Amino acid sequence: GDSVTQMEGPVTLSEEAFLTINCTYTATGYPSLFWYVQYPGEGLQLLLKATKADDKGSNKGFEATYRKETTSFHLEKGSVQVSDSAVYFCALTLPLGGGYQKVTFGIGTKLQVIP
Amino acid sequence: DAGVTQSPTHLIKTRGQQVTLRCSPKSGHDTVSWYQQALGQGPQFIFQYYEEEERQRGNFPDRFSGHQFPNYSSELNVNALLLGDSALYLCASSSPGRGSGNTIYFGEGSWLTVV
Repeated sequence: GDSVTQMEGPVTLSEEAFLTINCTYTATGYPSLFWYVQYPGEGLQLLLKATKADDKGSNKGFEATYRKETTSFHLEKGSVQVSDSAVYFCALTLPLGGGYQKVTFGIGTKLQVIP
Repeated sequence: DAGVTQSPTHLIKTRGQQVTLRCSPKSGHDTVSWYQQALGQGPQFIFQYYEEEERQRGNFPDRFSGHQFPNYSSELNVNALLLGDSALYLCASSSPGRGSGNTIYFGEGSWLTVV
């Protein structure tokens, strides 16, 4: 079945450090890929997305490129801030039939940024 | 523009009881999905509603049921609660038009604790 694999956390970085969170996927067909962020005690917020191979999604300094050849969608940021501390979920969507879709999530990677 | 809204935000129930959670989708959205997020895990797809019918279902028992109303709002019902049902329940909505690239927006969630 379809699945998303993320690097295990937690990830602890100093402010202004470079961030990479690895994500790979297994899917039948051509998924769309997403990164969602969850701040403590809150729901999920869409961070960025890419809908086809070689697309780059970007938002708030975060970037991820849809790599079909390596089935990956790694999240990067050049300089993290304390306010980026959250749990990051890699996710994919595929049509279910009838055009409906569901989101398949990874386990989530907790990021802690220290001053 | 209000996003996806859910109620209640927190609730505590006893084993064997029944619970109803409510969701209003983002304005203009007609499709509602429900997800269960256990502590430290990624969200898991429960089911999806469109035109007041359940269209797709994840691997959840019949104790989990739902409803969608003509105004697109939705309810999630869980009967015979178990301790393992303690989780964050997330409602998600998406726009008309089919395709795996449509962004799915999530609410803040309802925290259910079963004691």
